[in-house]
Amino acid sequence: EDQVTQSPEALRLQEGESSSLNCSYTVSGLRGLFWYRQDPGKGPEFLFTLYSAGEEKEKERLKATLTKKESFLHITAPKPEDSATYLCAAAQGGSEKLVFGKGMKLTVNP
Amino acid sequence: KAGVTQTPRYLIKTRGQQVTLSCSPISGHRSVSWYQQTPGQGLQFLFEYFSETQRNKGNFPGRFSGRQFSNSRSEMNVSTLELGDSALYLCASSWAGVSYEQYFGPGTRLTVT
Repeated sequence: EDQVTQSPEALRLQEGESSSLNCSYTVSGLRGLFWYRQDPGKGPEFLFTLYSAGEEKEKERLKATLTKKESFLHITAPKPEDSATYLCAAAQGGSEKLVFGKGMKLTVNP
Repeated sequence: KAGVTQTPRYLIKTRGQQVTLSCSPISGHRSVSWYQQTPGQGLQFLFEYFSETQRNKGNFPGRFSGRQFSNSRSEMNVSTLELGDSALYLCASSWAGVSYEQYFGPGTRLTVT
């Protein structure tokens, strides 16, 4: 069964303390690995799409990487405004279906 | 460019009733997907429509249904509501399918009493 697992479930960081979020997936024929950010009371906001192992993408303090079994979201020198829930999702090849992980709640304290 | 809109934003229904939620995608997007989000299960895929055709459906009972119109707007319907259907229902659109960037609406918060 297709599965996406995120760890840790929650993370507290001090402002400026860098860390990484993990997303492991078991999806046959991965068509794409997606990262989203969700603020309370809002819909998820698209961050990155990764299509093949070795691919990396960056946006401000965030960098996403992809291997054949997992993806990492690296957060460098986070700020309090980076506090949110980060969601990882995988699209299976051959079907229009997206499987989400349960998310990781990040809190960055000033 | 206007984003994805969903109506209504909040809804309170009684067990046994039915409900219809609406989603207007970003202009030019032909794929619309629906998701249910709950604290315990997270985001779960309901179904995806492209050019008025349902291309895939998640593991939900037949009480959950949807459709897409020729202008790409979509509706989802839940019949015979149960307490467990209380959730945030999210709609997302993309130009061609879930393998591409999807843009989410703000969601409809459904409470079943």
